[in-house]
Parts: sequence; structure tokens; C-alpha cells
Amino acid sequence: GQQVMQIPQYQHVQEGEDFTTYCNSSTTLSNIQWYKQRPGGHPVFLIQLVKSGEVKKQKRLTFQFGEAKKNSSLHITATQTTDVGTYFCAGGSGTYKYIFGTGTRLKVLA
Amino acid sequence: DTEVTQTPKHLVMGMTNKKSLKCEQHMGHRAMYWYKQKAKKPPELMFVYSYEKLSINESVPSRFSPECPNSSLLNLHLHALQPEDSALYLCASSQGGVSSYEQYFGPGTRLTVT
Repeated sequence: GQQVMQIPQYQHVQEGEDFTTYCNSSTTLSNIQWYKQRPGGHPVFLIQLVKSGEVKKQKRLTFQFGEAKKNSSLHITATQTTDVGTYFCAGGSGTYKYIFGTGTRLKVLA
Repeated sequence: DTEVTQTPKHLVMGMTNKKSLKCEQHMGHRAMYWYKQKAKKPPELMFVYSYEKLSINESVPSRFSPECPNSSLLNLHLHALQPEDSALYLCASSQGGVSSYEQYFGPGTRLTVT
């Protein structure tokens, strides 16, 4: 079946360093969404990418969708302690059907 | 109001019990979802209701029975669960239709099966 993998599984960074998580799907996606889940919390929507090669920015966060629509990345510039949490991509493969990636847990050391 | 509410927050049940999880949203969303999340794992899609009709069932065992009484409410009826069903159960909602929309998640119900 369809799989969505993320690397790395864990990342510890010093505050102020940059962070990137990569998302790879075994199949072509119709769109991709990114979510952040704080420890003990629930997933919170960050962004959705639909077009091949699309790049979107939100303040310190940059999101990319690959040309083949099978991979995506999230880059955070100058991490802050508030960025702590697990970042999930969610690959869309039809109306309403989303497969969440394995997640990258980010820890930021002050 | 961009909130999805879920009750109860915590539930402990025996393997012979019958219980229900409830989810409610008042954003006018016409798609509602149930996800299961085990510790340190991603959410796994279980069911999707679209315009109050079941549109996706990800081969979930029949001991889980979803229900969508109206466009604002979503229930998950539980019966004869197994200890491995212990997890965080997340409800989400989104706009309906053929386009893709962001999902709003509730805080979840943490279920323990003894």
C-alpha cells in the first residue's frame, strides 16, 4: 500500500540553527499538507501544497512540493524554542484520503 | 468558531464494555474524520463521512462503528475492544467537496482498554 516516509525521525538543534524535514511518498500525490503536533497536543494545520514545484513561505517556514509530486520538504530558519514538536506531512491521494508521514520530532535546545 | 470538540477526554473500558466517543464542530464543515494515533506514531485514517454519508472506511474492524447523526456531529461506537486498541482517537473536520481543504483536529480522546 501507499507509504509516506519522513526523515529524519528525530532532530535536536541549538536555538537559532536551521532545520529541515523531508517527506517521500511511494506514489504520486494530488496534494500535500503539513501539520505540527506539540507534545500532548493534536495536529495543527500549517499549509497545503497542490502544484508541482510549488514553494510557499510562512515567516521562518518554507515549504516545497517536488516536481514529480512525490516528495516535499519543510525548512525552518533560525529555530526558536516554540518550534518544538513533531512535524507531519500528510499526502493526499484522492478526496478526503490522507496518509500521514512517519513524522520528524524536533527538539530545540536553548 | 474554529474548534472541534471531543468527549470524553479520557476513557477506560473493559473488553466487554460498550462505549461511544463524540465529536462536534460548528464550522459548517461537511467532511468529518476519525483517526487513531498510537504513541510516537502518525495519525492513521479510520473513517471519513462526507455530507453525512460514509465515504471512506480504511478496513477498520467491526468493533468500531461510526455514526454521523447530522452535519455537526460524529460518533464512534466501541464494542468488544482489545487492549491493542488503546490509543488517542482524533476527530477532524474540513470543508466538503472535490477540492482539498485543511483539516481541523479536536484534542482527542485517550482510550485505554483493560
